[in-house]
Amino acid sequence: AQSVTQLGSHVSVSEGALVLLRCNYSSSVPPYLFWYVQYPNQGLQLLLKYTTGATLVKGINGFEAEFKKSETSFHLTKPSAHMSDAAEYFCAVSRTGANNLFFGTGTRLTVIP
Amino acid sequence: DTAVSQTPKYLVTQMGNDKSIKCEQNLGHDTMYWYKQDSKKFLKIMFSYNNKELIINETVPNRFSPKSPDKAHLNLHINSLELGDSAVYFCASSQFSNTEAFFGQGTRLTVV
Repeated sequence: AQSVTQLGSHVSVSEGALVLLRCNYSSSVPPYLFWYVQYPNQGLQLLLKYTTGATLVKGINGFEAEFKKSETSFHLTKPSAHMSDAAEYFCAVSRTGANNLFFGTGTRLTVIP
Repeated sequence: DTAVSQTPKYLVTQMGNDKSIKCEQNLGHDTMYWYKQDSKKFLKIMFSYNNKELIINETVPNRFSPKSPDKAHLNLHINSLELGDSAVYFCASSQFSNTEAFFGQGTRLTVV
């Protein structure tokens, strides 16, 4: 069985501060891991993904995430928050890819000027 | 150019009606999906479909049916709409099932 837990349904950071959004997963096989972002009234946009290989994954808009198998985590970070980063962020896990995505419940990021 | 497009963006309808949501992708992908996002923002897959196989999430009522006239389209038909069907429905596509999914902008369905 697969599942995703996103700690903190709402995270607030000041503009310029570090962004850290937490994601822990459970999977019986090596997982594919994804972070998606959803801006208000829009669809989901892929930020980054981990399939195999290097455990530190760089995505769009300055975001990155590190796959830590021992901690079953895939936390999303960005060194310096920008106002435009305010959105809902979803972590997802899959055994095989897009056809079997299990999403977390999302974390709403607020950026304070 | 919109990669995955859905119409309509908003849909308000009465209980008991039958409605359809259309989805088209111009990415040349071979697999398409429908996801449901409930009022708590929880996303759950409903269907995945390619030209060989339709996979249905067992929790989806049979009032919901996907129909694919061709590889680039996967429409969602809903019969006898219920209040609990109110949600945002997202279409997505991928090239093969083992890559990432690209999502449409969603259709907000409100059943009154």
